[in-house]
Amino acid sequence: AQTVTQSQPEMSVQEAETVTLSCTYDTSESNYYLFWYKQPPSRQMILVIRQEAYKQQNATENRFSVNFQKAAKSFSLKISDSQLGDTAMYFCAFKSFGNEKLTFGTGTRLTIIP
Amino acid sequence: DADVTQTPRNRITKTGKRIMLECSQTKGHDRMYWYRQDPGLGLRLIYYSFDVKDINKGEISDGYSVSRQAQAKFSLSLESAIPNQTALYFCATSPRERRETQYFGPGTRLLVL
Repeated sequence: AQTVTQSQPEMSVQEAETVTLSCTYDTSESNYYLFWYKQPPSRQMILVIRQEAYKQQNATENRFSVNFQKAAKSFSLKISDSQLGDTAMYFCAFKSFGNEKLTFGTGTRLTIIP
Repeated sequence: DADVTQTPRNRITKTGKRIMLECSQTKGHDRMYWYRQDPGLGLRLIYYSFDVKDINKGEISDGYSVSRQAQAKFSLSLESAIPNQTALYFCATSPRERRETQYFGPGTRLLVL
C-alpha cells in the first residue's frame, strides 16, 4: 500500500518570501502521479500542481513549483513570492497508474504573515 | 459558476437517520468520486463511479451507499447515520482526457449527533 507523509504540520512565512513544503511517499509502483492540493478556510480542495513520475522535468505553475526526486521518493512544493491568499492547508497526494484512489498526506497548515 | 456543486453545504442529523448528500457537475466528466475528510487523516475514498452503470467501492465503503442517477449526478447515502460518520465529505470528478487528475467540489460538512 502506498503512503504519503507530510512531516511539517504547520509552517509560517512572511509575505513575499519563499517557502518549501515537504512530502515523501512510499510505493513499489513505477508509474504514478503526484499532486499538491490547497485547502483554504473556505474548505474547497483546489488543485495546485501535478507531476507525472515518468517526467524528469519538474512541474511549474506560476509561483508554484515542485522538486521531484524519484529515487528519494520526495515531492516538495515551493511557493515563491508568497501572498496572503496562499494561507491554507496544503495536501500532497499520490495516485498510481490504473488505480482510482488518491492517497493523501495529513497536510501542512501554511500561514502567510503580513 | 461552480463546476462541481454539493448540497447541502452543512447538515446536522441524529443517530439512526437516513441522509443523502448530493453532487452534480457541469464539467462533462465521466468519472465521479466520494471522499471523506477527518481531522489528521487526510481524505479517504468511499465510492467511485466510471459511468451510470459502473460503481465501485473505495477503501471505506461500509455504512455508505451511492447512486449515479445520470452522468452529471452522484449521490452518497448514509442509511443509518452514526456519530463517527461526522466528517467533511467531498465529491470529485475526473475527465476522460486526463484520468489521473481529480477536481473537487466545495464539500459538505456533516455532523451526526
